[in-house]
Amino acid sequence: EVQLLESGGGLVQPGGSLRLSCAASGFTFTSFAMTWVRQAPGKGLEWVSSISASGSSTYYTDSVKGRFTISRDNSKNTLYLQMNSLRAEDTAVYYCAKCSGSTKRDAFDIWGQGTMVTVSS
Amino acid sequence: QTVVTQEPSFSVSPGETVTLTCGLSSGSVSTSYYPSWYQQTPGQAPRTLIYNTNTRSSGVPDRFSGSILGNKAALTITGAQADDESDYYCVLYMGSGIWVFGGGTKLTVL
Repeated sequence: EVQLLESGGGLVQPGGSLRLSCAASGFTFTSFAMTWVRQAPGKGLEWVSSISASGSSTYYTDSVKGRFTISRDNSKNTLYLQMNSLRAEDTAVYYCAKCSGSTKRDAFDIWGQGTMVTVSS
Repeated sequence: QTVVTQEPSFSVSPGETVTLTCGLSSGSVSTSYYPSWYQQTPGQAPRTLIYNTNTRSSGVPDRFSGSILGNKAALTITGAQADDESDYYCVLYMGSGIWVFGGGTKLTVL
């Protein structure tokens, strides 16, 4: 069974940092691109960042460029999102999602349960 | 900045067919945007219904189908059921690795 398990969320002050992790199992992790999607309380889904299967290519929405870094450790079947200079507007549930293929054009087919990030003083 | 548009809300009676759409504030949606559709109920993670325009995700019943209708992507639910009452989101590939979600459609089945 394909599973994605996020961790690392929590309460952080504005300007602070957090690192989210997503442990993957049940599929060949190295064959698929991965993505982070977030959802602010009461709002819709927002694509945040994607990474290619090899990890050599990364993509970000404009609002997080220069602050967030997506990465993956294919030896540990784990996806990461390093979030720095956090703002109140980054408060959201962050979902890890597996893409349907290895390329940047492959949309998301399997989702984790999400981890909550709250940025507040 | 291109906006992905969806109907904010839609209402359907049980057993009826409903088509939700996903468009662009400027231009037409084609298969080159690799439209995908997701279902979400409150407090739950999204569930993938359709990706790459019309590929049904594993385990999704065939009464959910995706297509291009005119200048928009479309999600058709044939024979709506009570448990189809959810929020539905589309996402489009904008190029250069960038994806943009629509604002979502709240579907009511009554």
